[in-house]
Amino acid sequence: AQKITQTQPGMFVQEKEAVTLDCTYDTSDPSYGLFWYKQPSSGEMIFLIYQGSYDQQNATEGRYSLNFQKARKSANLVISASQLGDSAMYFCAMRGNYGGSQGNLIFGKGTKLSVKP
Amino acid sequence: IAGITQAPTSQILAAGRRMTLRCTQDMRHNAMYWYRQDLGLGLRLIHYSNTAGTTGKGEVPDGYSVSRANTDDFPLTLASAVPSQTSVYFCASSVLAGVNEQFFGPGTRLTVL
Repeated sequence: AQKITQTQPGMFVQEKEAVTLDCTYDTSDPSYGLFWYKQPSSGEMIFLIYQGSYDQQNATEGRYSLNFQKARKSANLVISASQLGDSAMYFCAMRGNYGGSQGNLIFGKGTKLSVKP
Repeated sequence: IAGITQAPTSQILAAGRRMTLRCTQDMRHNAMYWYRQDLGLGLRLIHYSNTAGTTGKGEVPDGYSVSRANTDDFPLTLASAVPSQTSVYFCASSVLAGVNEQFFGPGTRLTVL
């Protein structure tokens, strides 16, 4: 069965510092996709970054990068130069295949990041 | 409109009542999904639709039904609401099933008393 594990319920980081949010996954599919979403206190889900299992390079999007270690089945999100607006819940997700959906997302339980001024 | 809209934004509902949560997207995405978000559990898939005219059950489908009469709309119906259905409901879509990111609506906060 596919599963996403986020072991950090909450994290604190000082403004302007980098922070790493952990994510490990479990799947037997040879081809899969990994995602990170941000959920601020306002509640919307915001897509941040995507990594395909066959991508040779780690994905980067602005201040976000994904540290993809396939052998360890980890897909950690790195946020560089943290800003106060980065305070939010962060969810790691994997493209699933529930029934015949072909593309639903399986989510971890999330990590709440708080950026301190 | 641009993206995904959901209605209502929030609702308080008596147990036993029927309720339909609406979801409309204007991106002509083929695949649509309904998730529920509960504290400490993340988001879980309720139902999905890979393309207009087809639907399927997700991880937690009991007590919910969906229809997909056209590309844009994907309503979620609670036939007889129960307190355990108190949750935040998110509708999402993607260009094709299994293709890259999903875009999420703003969510509906539902309380069943």
